[in-house]
This record gives sequence, C-alpha cells and structure tokens, in this order.
Amino acid sequence: NAGVMQNPRHLVRRRGQEARLRCSPMKGHSHVYWYRQLPEEGLKFMVYLQKENIIDESGMPKERFSAEFPKEGPSILRIQQVVRGDSAAYFCASSPGKGADEQFFGPGTRLTVL
Amino acid sequence: AQSVTQLGSHVSVSEGALVLLRCNYSSSVPPYLFWYVQYPNQGLQLLLKYTTGATLVKGINGFEAEFKKSETSFHLTKPSAHMSDAAEYFCAVSRGNDMRFGAGTRLTVKP
Repeated sequence: NAGVMQNPRHLVRRRGQEARLRCSPMKGHSHVYWYRQLPEEGLKFMVYLQKENIIDESGMPKERFSAEFPKEGPSILRIQQVVRGDSAAYFCASSPGKGADEQFFGPGTRLTVL
Repeated sequence: AQSVTQLGSHVSVSEGALVLLRCNYSSSVPPYLFWYVQYPNQGLQLLLKYTTGATLVKGINGFEAEFKKSETSFHLTKPSAHMSDAAEYFCAVSRGNDMRFGAGTRLTVKP
C-alpha cells in the first residue's frame, strides 16, 4: 500500500509564475490536508479537503492560493503569481476520515521562488 | 479551539542521556495528542499517539509520552539518546479532523 505521494519533490519558479503542487492520498483515504513549513518554523495548517469539497480553508491566504480535490485524480494546491515569501516546504497529509485521528504525511514539495 | 506549545525550540543531549521534549496543549474537548518526527528533507512520521485509555503511551524507537490532564501536558521521553534520534519533533493536538501542530523542537545528540 503506497503512502501519500507528492510531486514534484522540488519546484523552482520565478516571481510571477504559477506553482502547482500535487498530492495523491493513501489508498482508501478521502480526506486531504495541506500544510506549509517555512524555514525554522513549524507546520502551519492551510486547507482541509474531502473529495470535491473544501471543508476548512481558514489557514490559506485569501489571494493567489487555491486548492482542489477532484473526484478523480490528485489534490492540487495552486499558487498564482508566486513571490519570494512563498518559498517553503508544502506537505500534504491524508486520513480515512470518519473520526479517524492520525494523519499520514507525504514527503513534501520544496518550492523555491527566485 | 486547540493549540499546542512546545517549550524549547532546540534541545541538545549527549548520546546515552535522557531525552525530554516538552509539550503543553490547550483544548476545549478531550484531546487526541500526537508526536511526529521529521528527519531532514523528509515528511513527518508518527512516533506515538494518545486517544483514550492508558495515559502512558509507547511509540517507536524507544520513545514514550505520558498524558497528564491536570498539567495539560504530553511530554516525550526516551531513556537513552542515540545519534539517530537527531531530528525535528512536533507535538500535535486534534479532535476529529482538526489537527494543530506545535512549532517543533530540534533535537541534537552529541557524541
């Protein structure tokens, strides 16, 4: 049973470009979470999604950031018009939902904005 | 609302010494508590978790943690540190699907 998969593992973008980060949850998991980790800081919750629905996006910046988890395919975190401050590691986690407690993490995508 | 405070962003111990990483939580409902470990350039791996039942929880790699409701604490311990324990450790609190992480504690193990 493959774990949570994220790609790409490393992404370099110039200011103003778009970044697309992908997350495939563990098999059987219908809940996906995105977190951002800035250098020397902890994990900050961004958004929680279930299939085709955003449940909680309270941690996501109102502008330039969006997330989706379509019926088919991976969850996508999209950052438009990236700025240097977006440089961070972005982690995806999944859980089976239905009151489950533990979240399983992917290896992360390290975004560098030049 | 739930939150976690990890006391000490950096902890350094000698190999073979006791490891103690501190975590205090705030929760309006009975919490689920977790410790995760992150090795360089990797994702988070679950060390142990407390949901209900026994308050002393044993995890992987010889780590354990004790849930103390009266102190709202969930400190992580290991009797004897190993060089391979050097990593970043995160305490987290959740209820349902809402998980909140502490800022992390970086553990350094000196030979």
